[in-house]
Amino acid sequence: DQQVKQNSPSLSVQEGRISILNCDYTNSMFDYFLWYKKYPAEGPTFLISISSIKDKNEDGRFTVFLNKSAKHLSLHIVPSQPGDSAVYFCAASDDSNAGGTSYGKLTFGQGTILTVHP
Amino acid sequence: DTEVTQTPKHLVMGMTNKKSLKCEQHMGHRAMYWYKQKAKKPPELMFVYSYEKLSINESVPSRFSPECPNSSLLNLHLHALQPEDSALYLCASSQDPYRGNQPQHFGDGTRLSIL
Repeated sequence: DQQVKQNSPSLSVQEGRISILNCDYTNSMFDYFLWYKKYPAEGPTFLISISSIKDKNEDGRFTVFLNKSAKHLSLHIVPSQPGDSAVYFCAASDDSNAGGTSYGKLTFGQGTILTVHP
Repeated sequence: DTEVTQTPKHLVMGMTNKKSLKCEQHMGHRAMYWYKQKAKKPPELMFVYSYEKLSINESVPSRFSPECPNSSLLNLHLHALQPEDSALYLCASSQDPYRGNQPQHFGDGTRLSIL
């Protein structure tokens, strides 16, 4: 049972344009959402996060949008750069029960390969 | 540069060997994690340590044995592994295991191959 889904395995974008990566989740207990970027032979790098009390969070070229009613989040990268080419994972956690058995457990989507062409 | 350091970067071992993976962080984080990642799959949680105590074990086989000797170090002891255990093993840390909404920061992983 995949609780976090990234339905697009890959995305190709021209340099300077907007990249939009999407993620859907099914567990209504998730209340914290993150995006990670991963280059080959490296670990995931934290990009940006959003808690469920917000619907938007921005950090430089990266903006994450959360639609709780649709259980959907997206990552916008503007403008896209060739160095952004990587695998992007969305992840979610249920942080409502501090110290509980699921606390701090990240559930990842399958990832989307982003390629930004010069 | 990652602030979570994992050694070794690569490890090849036979099914009868005993080896250990090491992870170190100096960010003062009090939660540390082991993940396993197979090719073209997302990371899967194995263990969580909160204040040096094991708080989550995701039903991992006993041939994987975690250890947290102090707040900066996390080890994963390996014994009698199977070929299907070949994967990238990632360590991560986060600031406070009892405060929510904190990102986990990952090391670059150990690429493990079982012969």
